Amino acid sequence: GNSVTQMEGPVTLSEEAFLTINCTYTATGYPSLFWYVQYPGEGLQLLLKATKADDKGSNKGFEATYRKETTSFHLEKGSVQVSDSAVYFCALSAVHSGSARQLTFGSGTQLTVLP
Amino acid sequence: DAGITQSPRYKITETGRQVTLMCHQTWSHSYMFWYRQDLGHGLRLIYYSAAADITDKGEVPDGYVVSRSKTENFPLTLESATRSQTSVYFCASTLTSGGSGELFFGEGSRLTVL
Repeated sequence: GNSVTQMEGPVTLSEEAFLTINCTYTATGYPSLFWYVQYPGEGLQLLLKATKADDKGSNKGFEATYRKETTSFHLEKGSVQVSDSAVYFCALSAVHSGSARQLTFGSGTQLTVLP
Repeated sequence: DAGITQSPRYKITETGRQVTLMCHQTWSHSYMFWYRQDLGHGLRLIYYSAAADITDKGEVPDGYVVSRSKTENFPLTLESATRSQTSVYFCASTLTSGGSGELFFGEGSRLTVL
């Protein structure tokens, strides 16, 4: 079946540090890949996405590249801010058990950025 | 306000009671979803719906019932709540075929079963 494995948290960084959150996936077919972010007390919102191999998604200084050869979609940001403190979820969209395409989420990585 | 809203935001109930969580969206999105969020498990799909009167099971459907008589509403019912159903529940919607596009999430309903 489809699955997403992402880096265990929590991750604590100082402001302006470099961020990497690892994400690898297992899927049949040709999945689309996503990063969602959840700020405290809120629902998830889409951060970025990539729909085919070698695509790079980017938003708000975050980037992730769809690597089919390593089945990975690692999230990076060159200089984090306190306002980036949140939980980050990697997800894939693929056909599930012959039914409509569904999102499968990783377990989430809590990021705390200290001033 | 336009968007996707869930109610109640917080609910405490007792084992064996029936609980209904409401979800309402104003975008006329075809697809709607219910997820539960538990520490260490991320989000797991409970049920989804492709259109009014069309629903299907997700990864963890046992103990839950859904209905979709109108496009904009997708209530989730726990017919006899158990402690293992203590969780944060998120409703989501999308216009395109399920999962291929961006999902829009509600703010969540935190349910505690005593």
